[in-house]
Amino acid sequence: IAGITQAPTSQIMAAGRRMTLRCTQDMRHNAMYWYRQDLGLGLRLIHYSNTAGTTGKGEVPDGYSVSRANTDDFPLTLASAVPSQTSVYFCASSDGSPGQAFFGQGTRLTVV
Amino acid sequence: GQNIDQPTEMTATEGAIVQINCTYQTSGFNGLFWYQQHAGEAPTFLSYNVLDGLEEKGRFSSFLSRSKGYSDLLLKELQMKDSASYLCAVEDSNYQLIWGAGTKLIIKP
Repeated sequence: IAGITQAPTSQIMAAGRRMTLRCTQDMRHNAMYWYRQDLGLGLRLIHYSNTAGTTGKGEVPDGYSVSRANTDDFPLTLASAVPSQTSVYFCASSDGSPGQAFFGQGTRLTVV
Repeated sequence: GQNIDQPTEMTATEGAIVQINCTYQTSGFNGLFWYQQHAGEAPTFLSYNVLDGLEEKGRFSSFLSRSKGYSDLLLKELQMKDSASYLCAVEDSNYQLIWGAGTKLIIKP
């Protein structure tokens, strides 16, 4: 692993199902973030974690949950997916300002 | 409310210079960031401005005016590989990052 890795790369799923998007980084960054990116809108922060063991809500947290059991992993869970959660999801990490972050390659999620 | 404005799309010619503007209205200011994002790929960090003035990094430069609330990203000697979206983001006084919707730059030969 080099940098930050997300899985899966893409997924089509049925509404109402549970889904976990995985994110792993090997840079030992303290802070990690989950964003969603939708056409015509800027990146929107879903949840963040400033350090292992802590998490916080971003701009659009409803319908999503996260955990940060260790420094490297920051999974995002959709407990019961809805079509409006169709989006491209990016995980990112930083060792300081959130503005100087490294991004994963993204997960394209389609909820039908 | 907090707001970042960028043009939706711009077109430029290979070898030329282009200037992409970003205006912002935020609750405080801790820095402005530019990212490049090729289609279907992750955003990658380009530049950071916190003080007024120009930051140069090779063919790319970014200018900031805090008093007027804007930044310009300048790309010189344009290459076809510069075709991408350019995202502007501002960190507010709560250390939250506010993102613009991005400017899609199309380079023509």
